[in-house]
Amino acid sequence: DAGITQSPRYKITETGRQVTLMCHQTWSHSYMFWYRQDLGHGLRLIYYSAAADITDKGEVPDGYVVSRSKTENFPLTLESATRSQTSVYFCASRGQGAYNEQFFGPGTRLTVL
Amino acid sequence: AQSVAQPEDQVNVAEGNPLTVKCTYSVSGNPYLFWYVQYPNRGLQFLLKYITGDNLVKGSYGFEAEFNKSQTSFHLKKPSALVSDSALYFCAVTGAGSYQLTFGKGTKLSVIP
Repeated sequence: DAGITQSPRYKITETGRQVTLMCHQTWSHSYMFWYRQDLGHGLRLIYYSAAADITDKGEVPDGYVVSRSKTENFPLTLESATRSQTSVYFCASRGQGAYNEQFFGPGTRLTVL
Repeated sequence: AQSVAQPEDQVNVAEGNPLTVKCTYSVSGNPYLFWYVQYPNRGLQFLLKYITGDNLVKGSYGFEAEFNKSQTSFHLKKPSALVSDSALYFCAVTGAGSYQLTFGKGTKLSVIP
């Protein structure tokens, strides 16, 4: 199916564990983004990627790592999860040109105990 | 730096009445403006955007938005609200050549039967 998917949809982990959130899009969009959504903060950009093998930090990158070896995949890794990383994480993609709308995945709800 | 303000955390409107969700922005150069809607436990869905041209933009589900350059506003409107319009609405802004889409904190719309 065409679109943007995220997995897992729900994840519970413990402080200090490594967690990877997956994102896959079928449009061959060049740009991909990771956001976190927290009450009172709206959506904040963690990392973005302009193309395969090109990634850069967003507003809140600390504690996160990304990679993009293939255009369609953009995994987000929490190398050592902390409670402050409990959040809902959204992946998004768009085509070239800032005038293009972003398309969002369904989100991953992550709880760090 | 670019920013978005949604001055109302919550808007309540009676079913059948017109609704307005307010948004003001700040960006260098010409803005690209977007409205998204989020239903519970779902990702953000694109409603409409302003790139250039006509100040009144029509979008999905009967929504429209009016771009006002002098007031740096992009208010979302609908002539007749439905209960099913109840959701969280986000305004977002970016500029040409920018990678980052900056979101407001969101406005919760409740349509009362």
